[in-house]
Amino acid sequence: QITLKESGPQLVKPTQTLTLTCTFSGFSLSNNEVGVGWIRQSPGKALEWLALIYWDDDTRYTPSLRSRLTVTKDTSTNQVVLKLTNVDPVDTGTYYCAHLMMVTAFAFDVWGQGTMVTVSS
Amino acid sequence: QSVLTQPPSASGTPGQRVTISCSGRHSNIGNNVVSWYQHLPGAAPKLLIFNQDQRPSGVPDRFSGSKSGTSASLAISGLQSEDEADYYCASWDDSLNGWVFGGGTKVTVL
Repeated sequence: QITLKESGPQLVKPTQTLTLTCTFSGFSLSNNEVGVGWIRQSPGKALEWLALIYWDDDTRYTPSLRSRLTVTKDTSTNQVVLKLTNVDPVDTGTYYCAHLMMVTAFAFDVWGQGTMVTVSS
Repeated sequence: QSVLTQPPSASGTPGQRVTISCSGRHSNIGNNVVSWYQHLPGAAPKLLIFNQDQRPSGVPDRFSGSKSGTSASLAISGLQSEDEADYYCASWDDSLNGWVFGGGTKVTVL
């Protein structure tokens, strides 16, 4: 059974760097055809895809935030870390990590419960 | 402004059929598979449909998906009160080299 759980600060000040950790179980990010994505939802807004890391360390970022985002993985601890630099109040929202299935399908099949982040001074 | 276009709302009475559209471009829906997600308030999004018309195990067959050209649709038949939620379509976009989501459709059961 695949599970994912996000963790990180609930409150971050503007201009600081937000660091979120996704701890997962039930799969290995060293296996072929596996990925973990980050998606967020700002208050009253739609889901917004942010970043993706594949089993081979390849990464993808949403173009509008590429300069501020970094995603890394640690296969020994089954964790994926997302960093967002120079945060602003518009970055407030709930951040989700999700397992990307790539064999026989291409979709985020299991999601974490999400972690709420507020950017405020 | 989301890359994939969905109607902001849809509604129906219990038992009715509701259809949600998702309009995109060749670079996303036209050339890649589509997935649909159900998002209840306070809960994690749930995968409803993958590869435009496949249901994960455990998803009722009341939910069905289809794709034609650069558009996709999600249909909910036999609408139930527990279907009240936000629904999102998503696809890979070859031009943006990343995932794109629709703006979401809020389904209300009258």
